[in-house]
Amino acid sequence: DTAVSQTPKYLVTQMGNDKSIKCEQNLGHDTMYWYKQDSKKFLKIMFSYNNKELIINETVPNRFSPKSPDKAHLNLHINSLELGDSAVYFCASRGLAGGHYNEQFFGPGTRLTVL
Amino acid sequence: GQQVMQIPQYQHVQEGEDFTTYCNSSTTLSNIQWYKQRPGGHPVFLIQLVKSGEVKKQKRLTFQFGEAKKNSSLHITATQTTDVGTYFCAENSGGSNYKLTFGKGTLLTVNP
Repeated sequence: DTAVSQTPKYLVTQMGNDKSIKCEQNLGHDTMYWYKQDSKKFLKIMFSYNNKELIINETVPNRFSPKSPDKAHLNLHINSLELGDSAVYFCASRGLAGGHYNEQFFGPGTRLTVL
Repeated sequence: GQQVMQIPQYQHVQEGEDFTTYCNSSTTLSNIQWYKQRPGGHPVFLIQLVKSGEVKKQKRLTFQFGEAKKNSSLHITATQTTDVGTYFCAENSGGSNYKLTFGKGTLLTVNP
């Protein structure tokens, strides 16, 4: 069973379009994250939700809107896509603190290409 | 915010040689994590270091946390082709919100 899953795996779209990426975790974790990895492999956090509540919101254009319908799901909607949005987007989840390693479990990634 | 500097950016070795990647911070770190990302894959957690001077081993991998908790290293003894990938250190820069800030990673390639 996949712990953290993302769909789609690949997304190719035109500039100006709106698209969504979905993420689900079956680990029972309370906290989920979205990361962007650029062509130079730099991993940067975008958002984090804890039990459906937004707790981290980095300096991300407001064209990006995360949504967490429940604590097992964290989706990412992107409006008016731009060339610079091309990257691999990773979802991750984390379990409870205290006695745990705070290890983050990453999904397989969604490679977004904007033409 | 806080950022860890990771060096080298790239390292190419012959199979059997050792490899080390370093992370440095100008401020004291509460803890540091290490992740490995295979080519085309996703980051996978390796370890977390919390205590000053901590040393942990996983088979051929040795992880160290500096005495001042401002630096960390990952050393691989006798590299194998399966060690290929990008190794990232990451520090918690968000306090209770647990926001990981990643170093830029070290890409390791191994010549068989």
